[in-house]
Amino acid sequence: NAGVMQNPRHLVRRRGQEARLRCSPMKGHSHVYWYRQLPEEGLKFMVYLQKENIIDESGMPKERFSAEFPKEGPSILRIQQVVRGDSAAYFCASSSPGQQPYGQYFGPGTRLTVT
Amino acid sequence: QKEVEQDPGPLSVPEGAIVSLNCTYSNSAFQYFMWYRQYSRKGPELLMYTYSSGNKEDGRFTAQVDKSSKYISLFIRDSQPSDSATYLCAMSAPDDYKLSFGAGTTVTVRA
Repeated sequence: NAGVMQNPRHLVRRRGQEARLRCSPMKGHSHVYWYRQLPEEGLKFMVYLQKENIIDESGMPKERFSAEFPKEGPSILRIQQVVRGDSAAYFCASSSPGQQPYGQYFGPGTRLTVT
Repeated sequence: QKEVEQDPGPLSVPEGAIVSLNCTYSNSAFQYFMWYRQYSRKGPELLMYTYSSGNKEDGRFTAQVDKSSKYISLFIRDSQPSDSATYLCAMSAPDDYKLSFGAGTTVTVRA
């Protein structure tokens, strides 16, 4: 049973380019969460999605960041016009419906470097 | 003030020692308390969770929650080099899906 999959694992973008991060949840999971981990800081919640719905995006920066979880395919976190401050590790977690908070399973992360 | 405070360490102990990790928090609504282990360049992996106050033991690991002091602890007995990792505490209120994480404590167990 494959776990949460994220790709790419490493992504290098120049300032002003777009970054697309993908997350495939565990089999049977329909809820996806994105977290960002800055150096020397803990993971920070960004957005919670269910299939075709954004449930809570209160942790997302107001500009340049968007997320989706289509009916088919992986969840996508999109960062437009990247800046140096976007350099971080981005983790996706998934859970099944009705699961308690400890039921989130994390992927290996995508490490974004903006040059 | 951060919602969850965790001493980042680093912590270095000899093999076989007891590792003691802790976090403090400010949100009294938190009821779920989790400890994650994160190896370098990997995602967090759930070690243990506790609901409300009390102790929980799982093999060499013991988690304690003191809600009156807003203080949680993780103890690792008979530590092994394979325990070398970053340990993250995380918390959540009931019916909330958002996890609030500490910054993580980096632990090295020397053979």
